[in-house]
Amino acid sequence: KAGVTQTPRYLIKTRGQQVTLSCSPISGHRSVSWYQQTPGQGLQFLFEYFSETQRNKGNFPGRFSGRQFSNSRSEMNVSTLELGDSALYLCASSAGLAGGGETQYFGPGTRLLVL
Amino acid sequence: AQSVAQPEDQVNVAEGNPLTVKCTYSVSGNPYLFWYVQYPNRGLQFLLKYITGDNLVKGSYGFEAEFNKSQTSFHLKKPSALVSDSALYFCAVRDSGGYQKVTFGTGTKLQVIP
Repeated sequence: KAGVTQTPRYLIKTRGQQVTLSCSPISGHRSVSWYQQTPGQGLQFLFEYFSETQRNKGNFPGRFSGRQFSNSRSEMNVSTLELGDSALYLCASSAGLAGGGETQYFGPGTRLLVL
Repeated sequence: AQSVAQPEDQVNVAEGNPLTVKCTYSVSGNPYLFWYVQYPNRGLQFLLKYITGDNLVKGSYGFEAEFNKSQTSFHLKKPSALVSDSALYFCAVRDSGGYQKVTFGTGTKLQVIP
């Protein structure tokens, strides 16, 4: 099976711009979670989608949003970028049906640099 | 609220020696516990998990972890460290009650010295 893919892999934006990141989960997986990874904060949970519905949400401002399509692919959007949004954004997929104990499989991440 | 603590930012161990990476957790219900490893410029790779049953869990690359409910710990261990084990290790927890988010620790950098 192909793994989780994320596009683009690298991105440079300037403050105030917006950005959209994409994640394609493993075939058959219906749950997609997004995380922000920074050196100082570790992995911070952004949100989780299952069957096109947001199932969980982390403590991020409303500038961070996401969605999931009927084919389980997911996008996250960050509007009005700030310097502090520079991070590695990781997507993880799982089957979504085993009551929470299932394994998440991570993509390689999108590294976002905000100038 | 659930939480995970990895008390050591970095662990240094000589090649061939046993290694331990520590993790403690807090959840209101029963925990699902996970260990992941991250190599430079890569995503996270799954190592092992505890869901229920035997407290000693064996995973990939010779790693194992022991679930200790009374000490709320889930330490990662390996009998003999390899230089190639040098990486960033993350512990994660998910409360088994309902469909909660996964909370990750801040990570421990493992350095295996030749």
